[in-house]
Amino acid sequence: AQSVTQPDIHITVSEGASLELRCNYSYGATPYLFWYVQSPGQGLQLLLKYFSGDTLVQGIKGFEAEFKRSQSSFNLRKPSVHWSDAAEYFCAVGARGGSNYKLTFGKGTLLTVNP
Amino acid sequence: EPEVTQTPSHQVTQMGQEVILRCVPISNHLYFYWYRQILGQKVEFLVSFYNNEISEKSEIFDDQFSVERPDGSNFTLKIRSTKLEDSAMYFCASSEVRSRGNQPQHFGDGTRLSIL
Repeated sequence: AQSVTQPDIHITVSEGASLELRCNYSYGATPYLFWYVQSPGQGLQLLLKYFSGDTLVQGIKGFEAEFKRSQSSFNLRKPSVHWSDAAEYFCAVGARGGSNYKLTFGKGTLLTVNP
Repeated sequence: EPEVTQTPSHQVTQMGQEVILRCVPISNHLYFYWYRQILGQKVEFLVSFYNNEISEKSEIFDDQFSVERPDGSNFTLKIRSTKLEDSAMYFCASSEVRSRGNQPQHFGDGTRLSIL
């Protein structure tokens, strides 16, 4: 069964600083990988996805993530954080097997941005 | 941009009562999902639905749960006799079907279900 680990429960960065959120997954083959963001009282918004191809994927709001098969990782990065990026971030893995797949989520990383 | 919409945003129900959570998926999407997030815990998969039948369900999705697409736009989750432990945020999601490959799931804002 697949699983996702987000080692950092809470991260605090200063506005303008760079950001990296860690995600490790466990799955028997190359998975589908996703990052979602949840602002307070809101739903889950898709930031970016990896299905195949280029291992460095670009997303919305200036985020990117890199799939590293050897490390079973899919870390999320942003070169310069804005105060509006404060939210909870979820990494998720989807099992390959067709267009209809279930997502397994990590526990999330809460990002606080200091002015 | 098209959105998944869920109603109500907050539902308060007495234990033992039936509750129906409603979702309107994005119009050209054909795969539908329910997930839930108990406060402080992970988002968990409940069920996926395609072509008017359940594709996959988790062990959480027992006989108290059912899903239905009663018309061309709505997708509902029914909990027959609610328990205290059903209190959670319930998310609906949908995704497209495309011949060229798999598509991401798009989520609604969720329904917060509180069981008293």
